[in-house]
Amino acid sequence: IQLTQSPSSLSASVGDRVTITCRASQGISTYLVWYQQKPGKAPKLLVYAASTLQSGVPSRFSGSGSGTDFTLTISSLQPEDFATYYCQQLGGYPLTFGQGTKVEFK
Amino acid sequence: QLQLQESGPGLVKPSETLSLTCIVSGGSIRSHYWSWIRQSAGKGLEWLGRVYISGSNNYNPSLQSRVTMSVDTSKNQFSLKLSSVTAADTAVYYCARADGDHDYWGQGILVTVSS
Repeated sequence: IQLTQSPSSLSASVGDRVTITCRASQGISTYLVWYQQKPGKAPKLLVYAASTLQSGVPSRFSGSGSGTDFTLTISSLQPEDFATYYCQQLGGYPLTFGQGTKVEFK
Repeated sequence: QLQLQESGPGLVKPSETLSLTCIVSGGSIRSHYWSWIRQSAGKGLEWLGRVYISGSNNYNPSLQSRVTMSVDTSKNQFSLKLSSVTAADTAVYYCARADGDHDYWGQGILVTVSS
């Protein structure tokens, strides 16, 4: 199952609303998760089951979608949110990741 | 707090076998699935496979013939072996808990394949 993220990168300012999309090549119900990765660090789980926030993740993050189209939204971008975001599907083997979306400072 | 730590050689020669271990602390390795994931500049994040104590493993077909994963409950650790490595296997290798999503990760270990 291929995952296509868009955009591959974006420039934004603190306080902006940011939306990242992930499209699956076939339906995966809600078997989709989102990770945040900062340079030199392991990915950090943000959202699982497409829309459930992992414990400790700020409420400005939200996920939505089912089937083939999914969205990660940051309602008000904070300085610590500048990072690369990946989606991953858990709907079929092999598990696959999107290519990533780098959120950069404008 | 569950912690994972990868260990193993940082340099492997072409055609040899890459061997890594992930030590799990702060919790039992039993009753959980565990994954290996790697990240290279050219291919992004790649899931290599997952392992369970029962031996119920799932491997990425792209590596099927070269990869072996196992669990050692006596040492609370699990391992990855990747045979016949080439430069394309150069990457940062992560271990992670894999009960569905990957909620706990190791810090990663850079493995370079070079003579």
